[in-house]
Amino acid sequence: SQKIEQNSEALNIQEGKTATLTCNYTNYSPAYLQWYRQDPGRGPVFLLLIRENEKEKRKERLKVTFDTTLKQSLFHITASQPADSATYLCALGDDYKLSFGAGTTVTVRA
Amino acid sequence: DADVTQTPRNRITKTGKRIMLECSQTKGHDRMYWYRQDPGLGLRLIYYSFDVKDINKGEISDGYSVSRQAQAKFSLSLESAIPNQTALYFCATSDLLAGDTQYFGPGTRLTVL
Repeated sequence: SQKIEQNSEALNIQEGKTATLTCNYTNYSPAYLQWYRQDPGRGPVFLLLIRENEKEKRKERLKVTFDTTLKQSLFHITASQPADSATYLCALGDDYKLSFGAGTTVTVRA
Repeated sequence: DADVTQTPRNRITKTGKRIMLECSQTKGHDRMYWYRQDPGLGLRLIYYSFDVKDINKGEISDGYSVSRQAQAKFSLSLESAIPNQTALYFCATSDLLAGDTQYFGPGTRLTVL
């Protein structure tokens, strides 16, 4: 069965540094991969989408890479700020639905 | 006003009770979804609907049923609630033509005693 794994440990980083989150998957060939942000007690909010034929996408301080050979996506938050503290979810998609990872909690210290 | 709304936001019920969670959206999307979220397990898909006449089971549909009353409304029912259905429930909508980005409601925190 398909499996999606994100960093098992929470990530604590200093303000201004780059946070790097990983999303690995097995037994799946997604058409695209998405990243969401979730704050405590709230619904996830979409951040970025990258398709299977794309290697990298950027949006402001966010960058995502997608390696279908390694079956891995990396999500980077550059020049991190305390406001970036949240849980980040990766989601793999096909034409019908998304399958989500459990998320990685990021805390940015001032 | 929020694009995706869920009612109730919090609910405490007892084992064996029937309960309905409601979701409404103003985004005009055809696709709607119900997920549950448990600590450490992430979001798991319960049911999804691509239009009023198209409803599909997700990975954990046992013990749940749904109704798509209109394009904008999608309800989730627990016919006979049990304690392990205690979770945070989210409704979401998406538009395939827009890359299938999903828009989530604020969630319903359900506790079954």
